[in-house]
Amino acid sequence: KAGVTQTPRYLIKTRGQQVTLSCSPISGHRSVSWYQQTPGQGLQFLFEYFSETQRNKGNFPGRFSGRQFSNSRSEMNVSTLELGDSALYLCASSLKSPRTSGDTDTQYFGPGTRLTVL
Amino acid sequence: DAKTTQPPSMDCAEGRAANLPCNHSTISGNEYVYWYRQIHSQGPQYIIHGLKNNETNEMASLIITEDRKSSTLILPHATLRDTAVYYCIVRVWGAAGNKLTFGGGTRVLVKP
Repeated sequence: KAGVTQTPRYLIKTRGQQVTLSCSPISGHRSVSWYQQTPGQGLQFLFEYFSETQRNKGNFPGRFSGRQFSNSRSEMNVSTLELGDSALYLCASSLKSPRTSGDTDTQYFGPGTRLTVL
Repeated sequence: DAKTTQPPSMDCAEGRAANLPCNHSTISGNEYVYWYRQIHSQGPQYIIHGLKNNETNEMASLIITEDRKSSTLILPHATLRDTAVYYCIVRVWGAAGNKLTFGGGTRVLVKP
């Protein structure tokens, strides 16, 4: 089974531009989460989508947004880019099964998109 | 989710077992312990998780103390490719959200 894929892998933008990153989850996975990783702040949760609805949101400004499509693929968008948005953006997917007992949903991460803002 | 405390770094000899400690003294009864690792600039890789029993898979073993306030990840025979940052995370089972809270992790350097 193919893993989580993210496109593009590398991106260079300038301040003020906007960017859209894409994530395709593992086949059958319905939950997609996004994380930002910077040297200063480490790995931080951005948001989670399940069944095309945002279920959870981290502490990021409104310039960061996302969406999920009916096939569970997800995109995140960052508008009016700032230098501090330079980071590795990671997507993770999980099954999010409706089981009422037993195990939790393990998240599996993609390789990330390295965004550089100049 | 409960906070975790890990040593910032540790070295390990190739071929020897690597024992990575994690303290989670405020863990709740419904919180699982998860371990991920991140090799430089790659996405975090899931290793193992557990609730209260010890767990083993093809990658590692997880030993959780009886009071669940701490755990140890064991890499039985460390190789150079195990050099990475290892993250210990606790998260609630069945939480409405699926958020992982990463701490600083332990930077493990496997030396030949």
